[in-house]
This record gives sequence, structure tokens and C-alpha cells, in this order.
Amino acid sequence: GEDVEQSLFLSVREGDSSVINCTYTDSSSTYLYWYKQEPGAGLQLLTYIFSNMDMKQDQRLTVLLNKKDKHLSLRIADTQTGDSAIYFCAEASISGGYNKLIFGAGTRLAVHP
Amino acid sequence: EAGVAQSPRYKIIEKRQSVAFWCNPISGHATLYWYQQILGQGPKLLIQFQNNGVVDDSQLPKDRFSAERLKGVDSTLKIQPAKLEDSAVYLCASSPTGWGRVGYTFGSGTRLTVV
Repeated sequence: GEDVEQSLFLSVREGDSSVINCTYTDSSSTYLYWYKQEPGAGLQLLTYIFSNMDMKQDQRLTVLLNKKDKHLSLRIADTQTGDSAIYFCAEASISGGYNKLIFGAGTRLAVHP
Repeated sequence: EAGVAQSPRYKIIEKRQSVAFWCNPISGHATLYWYQQILGQGPKLLIQFQNNGVVDDSQLPKDRFSAERLKGVDSTLKIQPAKLEDSAVYLCASSPTGWGRVGYTFGSGTRLTVV
């Protein structure tokens, strides 16, 4: 079945690293994504990783993928107050010949001074 | 490029009333999606269009929800009659063909409150 799971809440101190974890179920997912949602806004694509990669780094963001365990993580280095938001993990799942994104429930990141 | 436009931003209706949401995707994007995001949950796909044809509406409550995409561009999502549990943010997204590296682009959503 389709299910993406995330921890619901993470609190970090400004300047520390944040690690948000996700598990997914569709082993055939070609791409996995991290989206960010700020209050009152839609979802903004942060980064993605292709399924044949183990790691991807993009400035302060590092994505790690463990295909064996179907585990995805997002590390934010030097976390700032502007990083406070909800972060969604999503897998691309094929249904009826078409890809669609399945989202987790989101992890609320709170950054405090 | 212009983003995905949605209107209205907010809507408050009484239960059993009807409501419609509008979405204008990014120009040239073949695929359009409507997601429902209930407070505290992740977005759930309601319906997916490829050009003006429906390719997935398995999660759409068809007894009360309907959607159409005219001429493969704009789309409307309608709820009739609304129930209290329909209170949510309705997100529209679009994607080009071969969207793997770019993902979906989302609009800001319409927040519906049913009282």
C-alpha cells in the first residue's frame, strides 16, 4: 500500500543542525522529494533525490536515501528561524500508468534562539 | 514564469451549501492535480488530470465532489452539498511532462471552512 510516515514535531536551537526523517513504502519510487510549507502558503519544492543516489547535497540541505530500509532524511545545516515551517516527504508512486505524489503528514520544525 | 493561481483564498460556507474553487496552472503544464489538506495532515490527492482527461479520481468523493478541466487549461473543483468534514485547504498543483526533477508546482490554496 501507499504510506509515507514522518515524525510530527522537531524543535532545534538556532545554528544547530536539524534532521527530519521519513519512511516510505513504494520501492519502485523513482524520485523522492522534500517540500516546505510556511503558514498560509502552498508547498514549495526544496529538493529531490533520484532513487539510484545515496546522498544529495544542495547548499545547507543534505538528503540521505537508504533504499534497503526505505528511509529518507533531510538534514538542514546551521538552522535559522526562517527555516521554521512544516516539511513534507513525498514519494512518486505509479498508479494506472501515471505517477502521482504521496505525501507524509509533515514534520513541524520549530527553531528557537 | 507565473505560478499556479487559485481563487478564492478563503471561503466560509454553511453545511449543505455548494462551493467552487478555481485553478489556473502554469502555462504548458499538461498535468493538473487537486489535493485536499486537512489541518494537521499531509495533502491527499483528490483528482489528477492529464490535459483535459481524468487519469485518477479514486480518492474523490464522487457523491458530492466534481471537477473539470476545460480545454486542458483551467480547472474547477466543486463541492455540493458541503459537509463539516470538508473543511480543509484545497491545493491545486501542476506539472510538465517528465516532471521528475522539477516535481509539482503548488498554488497557495483555498482555505474552506464549513460551519
